[in-house]
Amino acid sequence: DAGITQSPRHKVTETGTPVTLRCHQTENHRYMYWYRQDPGHGLRLIHYSYGVKDTDKGEVSDGYSVSRSKTEDFLLTLESATSSQTSVYFCAISETGNQPQHFGDGTRLSIL
Amino acid sequence: GENVEQHPSTLSVQEGDSAVIKCTYSDSASNYFPWYKQELGKRPQLIIDIRSNVGEKKDQRIAVTLNKTAKHFSLHITETQPEDSAVYFCAASSAGGGNKLTFGTGTQLKVEL
Repeated sequence: DAGITQSPRHKVTETGTPVTLRCHQTENHRYMYWYRQDPGHGLRLIHYSYGVKDTDKGEVSDGYSVSRSKTEDFLLTLESATSSQTSVYFCAISETGNQPQHFGDGTRLSIL
Repeated sequence: GENVEQHPSTLSVQEGDSAVIKCTYSDSASNYFPWYKQELGKRPQLIIDIRSNVGEKKDQRIAVTLNKTAKHFSLHITETQPEDSAVYFCAASSAGGGNKLTFGTGTQLKVEL
């Protein structure tokens, strides 16, 4: 299994609070991705990174920001959480932009 | 952007039968098509993938076929077993670089004894 650790694994918070999710990898892969998974929607790309300090938007980026200051860490931030951001968040990594993506175990986020 | 449609949403088969899941995509420039299996409460796991320069790929009981002209690809599972029960997702990689995947909405496969 790919060395991917997501933290926290579960979080409950209130509307309007900031939330940061962390993805840590030990594979030294260049590409990292954040997806959200909701019933009826499959997985949808939020943001991705193609190197340190290099990030780009995905399909559902509104309300989310990301940062990557080190190869091994990719942070997803909800500046002011809303109930519509209640979801399961998955991080994925890929050695290059042309290689398969492997997923972490996910973070279940509930916003009340 | 890319749009991926997946059918059926649920599929029930008897153990030992074959299962077929179909996906269509909209962007003719998409060139990479992975399939993921996700068990309840677990992470998606890559089970097979195919690139646009190949028409078919097999790995033991699993095969994927790609028809670029029709813009559809299919997952075939033969000799199904109870442990094949899971949700299966297809995806397509948009051609804009970064291997950005667009996923289908998933197929719940149930293999009955």
